[in-house]
Amino acid sequence: AQKITQTQPGMFVQEKEAVTLDCTYDTSDPSYGLFWYKQPSSGEMIFLIYQGSYDQQNATEGRYSLNFQKARKSANLVISASQLGDSAMYFCAMREANTGNQFYFGTGTSLTVIP
Amino acid sequence: NAGVTQTPKFRILKIGQSMTLQCTQDMNHNYMYWYRQDPGMGLKLIYYSVGAGITDKGEVPNGYNVSRSTTEDFPLRLELAAPSQTSVYFCASSSGQGREFFGPGTRLTVL
Repeated sequence: AQKITQTQPGMFVQEKEAVTLDCTYDTSDPSYGLFWYKQPSSGEMIFLIYQGSYDQQNATEGRYSLNFQKARKSANLVISASQLGDSAMYFCAMREANTGNQFYFGTGTSLTVIP
Repeated sequence: NAGVTQTPKFRILKIGQSMTLQCTQDMNHNYMYWYRQDPGMGLKLIYYSVGAGITDKGEVPNGYNVSRSTTEDFPLRLELAAPSQTSVYFCASSSGQGREFFGPGTRLTVL
């Protein structure tokens, strides 16, 4: 079974609008971390936001927030007030403590912001 | 801090050649990882290490070898390069309690 599932290969959003990128995960480990990374066309991996499995509140970092629904095993990324520079690939990832802190990545969502 | 550095940035290999991708981190992280990213795809784990002297296979280890003689360095060795190993290779490190820090990547083409 896939550890991380991103079901949206491509998304479009109007500039200044909000967009939600979906991510579901699969683990039986009670201790895990969830991450979102941005990969622009230049290729580098840029860390956006982190949510720990024991965190009670949803993580926020500026225009990024993580909608963490533990019972549904979902960790959706919400980008508010989209900007043209947000156009990139977005990867959801999970770290499991009981597998030597391995990271598992989804297949990514390509986001295009339309002016 | 330089973070995670990788060399080279680009390389073209002929089928059957060997090479070593270098990775160094200066954050004293115990955990280090090698990934490959094929065009339009996500990252797949090749090998990882939980500390100096300890390495383990990830999802796609065939055709690769690693070593971890120091905390800082985690080189990836390709023996007998094949066209299927054409990819972008990322090295990353982590303290084990937070996010991964990625290197800039090495773009490898095998012809």
